[in-house]
Parts: sequence; C-alpha cells; structure tokens
Amino acid sequence: DAGVIQSPRHEVTEMGQEVTLRCKPISGHNSLFWYRQTMMRGLELLIYFNNNVPIDDSGMPEDRFSAKMPNASFSTLKIQPSEPRDSAVYFCASTLGQGGHGYTFGSGTRLTVV
Amino acid sequence: AQSVSQHNHHVILSEAASLELGCNYSYGGTVNLFWYVQYPGQHLQLLLKYFSGDPLVKGIKGFEAEFIKSKFSFNLRKPSVQWSDTAEYFCAVRIYGNNRLAFGKGNQVVVIP
Repeated sequence: DAGVIQSPRHEVTEMGQEVTLRCKPISGHNSLFWYRQTMMRGLELLIYFNNNVPIDDSGMPEDRFSAKMPNASFSTLKIQPSEPRDSAVYFCASTLGQGGHGYTFGSGTRLTVV
Repeated sequence: AQSVSQHNHHVILSEAASLELGCNYSYGGTVNLFWYVQYPGQHLQLLLKYFSGDPLVKGIKGFEAEFIKSKFSFNLRKPSVQWSDTAEYFCAVRIYGNNRLAFGKGNQVVVIP
C-alpha cells in the first residue's frame, strides 16, 4: 500500500494566486481529513469527508478555502486567492470507518505564499 | 468543547534519560486515545493507541502510555531515550461515535547525544 499520497510536496506561490492541493487516500478508506499545521496553532482540522460527502467544514478558515472529493480516491483543497497567512503545512489523512483505529497521514504539502 | 492539553511544550534531555509527556483531555464520555510522533520534516506516524482493556498500552520503539480514566490522562513514557527520538509528539483524542480526531499542541522533544 502506497499510503496517503499528497501533491505537491512543496508549493511557493505569490499572494493572490490560486493554490490547489491534492490528496489520494488509502484504497478502501472511506473517511478523509484535511489538517493545517502551523507553529502558532498546531494541528487544526479544516474539513473531513465521509464516503465522499463533506461532514464537517467548520474548521475552514474563510470562504477563500474550499475542498472537494469527487470520488473515493481523490480530494482537493483549494485556496483562492491565497494570502501570506495561509503559509503552513497541509496534511491529508484517511481512515476506515469512524477512525477508531487511528488515521494515516500523508507527507504533507508545505505551502509558502509570498 | 472537547480539548486536549499537552504541557511542557519544549523538552530537552540527554540520551538514556527517561521521558514522560503529559496529556489531559476534557471529554467525559468514552474516548479513543492516540499518540503520534512527527520526526523533523516528516508526517505524523502512529506511536500507540488505546481503545479499551488494559490501560497500559505498549507501542513502537519502546514507548508506552497509561490511560487513567479518573484523571482524564494518557501520559506517554519511555524509560531510556535515544538521539533518534528527537521529534514532536502529539496526543490525540477521538470521542466514541465521532470521526473527529482532536490534537493537542504537541511536545517538541530534543535528545542530546
């Protein structure tokens, strides 16, 4: 199993540009989570999907952030327009069922907005 | 709201010293508890987890954690650390029946050779 795959690993973009982060969960996992990690706030849950349906997006900071999961093997997190304060590491995680056995994390995307 | 507290955010110790990291949570119902480790520049990896049964849980790399329900705690321990244990350690709590995994702020551990 290749694990949770995220792309790109690093992204540097200018303020105002659109940024799209991608995630492929572990095959068979039916829940997918997007987290943001910063020094100040630690790990924050942005949104999670269950069976491709967004269940809780209360952690999405602003309307500039949107996430989709068009099928069981792919999800995107989009920021439009991006701002310097969006700079962080964005992790995707997946699990089977309700997560009682823990989540498997991807390697993350380090986003820098200049 | 449910919260997870980790104290002593920065810990520096020498090799062979013992390590204990505290974790307290605020939810009173049934919970699943986890410790994750994040090595420099890497993603989070599961160290150990507690669902039920024996409150003393043994994980990978010589780590263990003890669930004390009366204290709402799940402290992580390792009797003798190595330089390779330098990492950030996160405690996480999942309320039974809920998908959300809430993380503490993490403990940055530096082991000096």
